[in-house]
Amino acid sequence: GNSVTQMEGPVTLSEEAFLTINCTYTATGYPSLFWYVQYPGEGLQLLLKATKADDKGSNKGFEATYRKETTSFHLEKGSVQVSDSAVYFCALSVGAGNMLTFGGGTRLMVKP
Amino acid sequence: GAVVSQHPSRVICKSGTSVKIECRSLDFQATTMFWYRQFPKKSLMLMATSNEGSKATYEQGVEKDKFLINHASLTLSTLTVTSAHPEDSSFYICSAAGTVSYEQYFGPGTRLTVT
Repeated sequence: GNSVTQMEGPVTLSEEAFLTINCTYTATGYPSLFWYVQYPGEGLQLLLKATKADDKGSNKGFEATYRKETTSFHLEKGSVQVSDSAVYFCALSVGAGNMLTFGGGTRLMVKP
Repeated sequence: GAVVSQHPSRVICKSGTSVKIECRSLDFQATTMFWYRQFPKKSLMLMATSNEGSKATYEQGVEKDKFLINHASLTLSTLTVTSAHPEDSSFYICSAAGTVSYEQYFGPGTRLTVT
């Protein structure tokens, strides 16, 4: 089956620190990979995505590269801000059914 | 971009009553809609998948008679929590996908509190 594993949080960083949130996956097929962000009390917003190996998704200073050889899609940002405090979900989708498989979520807290 | 709305954003109801949550795709036709439930500080749990004009497909362990899903049009799906109990209190999130893109677009969620 399909599964996504991401590092447990919370991750607490100071403003302007470097962020890495690890995500690895298993999939029966060739998945598309996603990072979603959830701010307190809100639904999910797509942060970035990649649909094939070696693709790099990027948005708002966040980046993630689709690594087929290590089945990973780690999220990175060079300098986090307090406003980046949220829960981040890694997810995958296989095939035309659009069904998403989510990781457990990682809470990020950025302190001024 | 694609926008999905949910209504209401928050609802408080008494135990034993039913609550309906609407999910609308505002600027695209959603052939498939998904309903998720999220417990505090937990990930999203897929409850069911619905395709327009057909019965919803429920995930294992989700009571279809308790969580009624209707997808009557390409822009609207509803989730009705019947005979709600306090343990049904949760954050319910819908998402919608069209025919062209593989991407799901998420609604802002509905916080249900059953007293």
